Amino acid sequence: DAGVIQSPRHEVTEMGQEVTLRCKPISGHNSLFWYRQTMMRGLELLIYFNNNVPIDDSGMPEDRFSAKMPNASFSTLKIQPSEPRDSAVYFCASSWDRSNQPQHFGDGTRLSIL
Amino acid sequence: GNSVTQMEGPVTLSEEAFLTINCTYTATGYPSLFWYVQYPGEGLQLLLKATKADDKGSNKGFEATYRKETTSFHLEKGSVQVSDSAVYFCALIMNSGGSNYKLTFGKGTLLTVNP
Repeated sequence: DAGVIQSPRHEVTEMGQEVTLRCKPISGHNSLFWYRQTMMRGLELLIYFNNNVPIDDSGMPEDRFSAKMPNASFSTLKIQPSEPRDSAVYFCASSWDRSNQPQHFGDGTRLSIL
Repeated sequence: GNSVTQMEGPVTLSEEAFLTINCTYTATGYPSLFWYVQYPGEGLQLLLKATKADDKGSNKGFEATYRKETTSFHLEKGSVQVSDSAVYFCALIMNSGGSNYKLTFGKGTLLTVNP
């Protein structure tokens, strides 16, 4: 079974540049989540989609961050312009929207903004 | 709101030692409870889950029992191995209304097992 697929695995770029992270959820899952993990703040939920519709974006840090889910098999998280404090590991996860269903995580994108 | 509190790490054990990582939760209603494990450089993987009171989740020698009376879901393993070294996250899901099924995570506990 293909799990959640994220790309790229690593991204190094200079501040001010646009960064786009990509995620392909598990086929058939109807919920998709974007998380950010840092040493200082741990694991933070950024945004959550259900049936391709954003349900909760209260974790998106500021207007520089945006996320889209144009169809059930693809989502993007964009940062424009990027800043050094955005450096983190970004995870995508997907699940069925039931309270007893776990989320399945991708391997993450390690983002470094210089 | 919902919250998960797990014991602060790091936890350092010798191989074959007994492991307990405490986890307690606060939730309005009856959540489903999960333990996730994150190995170095990887994403989180589901380790085990329990969906109702007195359920015991188990996997790879790890166990946790859903205790409604103490609102706890402590993780245990009788004999740890070096390969168990990882960060462990306790988490819960509540239906917050409509289609809102967000995971609430604890802060994670780093476990290091020495040979």
